[in-house]
Amino acid sequence: QQQVKQSPQSLIVQKGGISIINCAYENTAFDYFPWYQQFPGKGPALLIAIRPDVSEKKEGRFTISFNKSAKQFSLHIMDSQPGDSATYFCAASRYSTLTFGKGTMLLVSP
Amino acid sequence: DGGITQSPKYLFRKEGQNVTLSCEQNLNHDAMYWYRQDPGQGLRLIYYSQIVNDFQKGDIAEGYSVSREKKESFPLTVTSAQKNPTAFYLCASSRTGANTGELFFGEGSRLTVL
Repeated sequence: QQQVKQSPQSLIVQKGGISIINCAYENTAFDYFPWYQQFPGKGPALLIAIRPDVSEKKEGRFTISFNKSAKQFSLHIMDSQPGDSATYFCAASRYSTLTFGKGTMLLVSP
Repeated sequence: DGGITQSPKYLFRKEGQNVTLSCEQNLNHDAMYWYRQDPGQGLRLIYYSQIVNDFQKGDIAEGYSVSREKKESFPLTVTSAQKNPTAFYLCASSRTGANTGELFFGEGSRLTVL
């Protein structure tokens, strides 16, 4: 049973455009929703995170939108840059562990 | 510099052999984790440990074993019982539980079974 569903699998965006990645979860007990960014050959690194008592969180060009009733959350990357090209993972947590989505490969074309 | 060190970065193994992947952290974190990454599958939890001398199975623990004898170290053994061991293995640590803050990842170990 996949507890965190992520879409799309891959995404191509032009430089300066908006990248949008969506995730849906099933377990209403999840209480922490981070996004991780991974470059090829490296480990993932935390990008931004949100808790369910907040509907939106913005850090620079990155924004998480959270819809608790729909059990969905999304990552928006504004003014996407070629350096943003990476794999992005959403995740959800309760207590001790993180459950990850399957990832989205983002390519920002120059 | 504080961080997580995984070794080796690349490892080749013959079928039927056990192999141990090393993970060391100097962040003074209590919790440590092992994830397996396969293309298109995301990160799947193998084992985790919240305190020395204690660890819990994750979603795909079969064919793997771990130990946590020191706070800084959390080695993973891929045994011959693991049917499809070729993968990218990631170790991570966090100050406390995963829902209270950031997981810090190492750079991974890529295991190839020949």
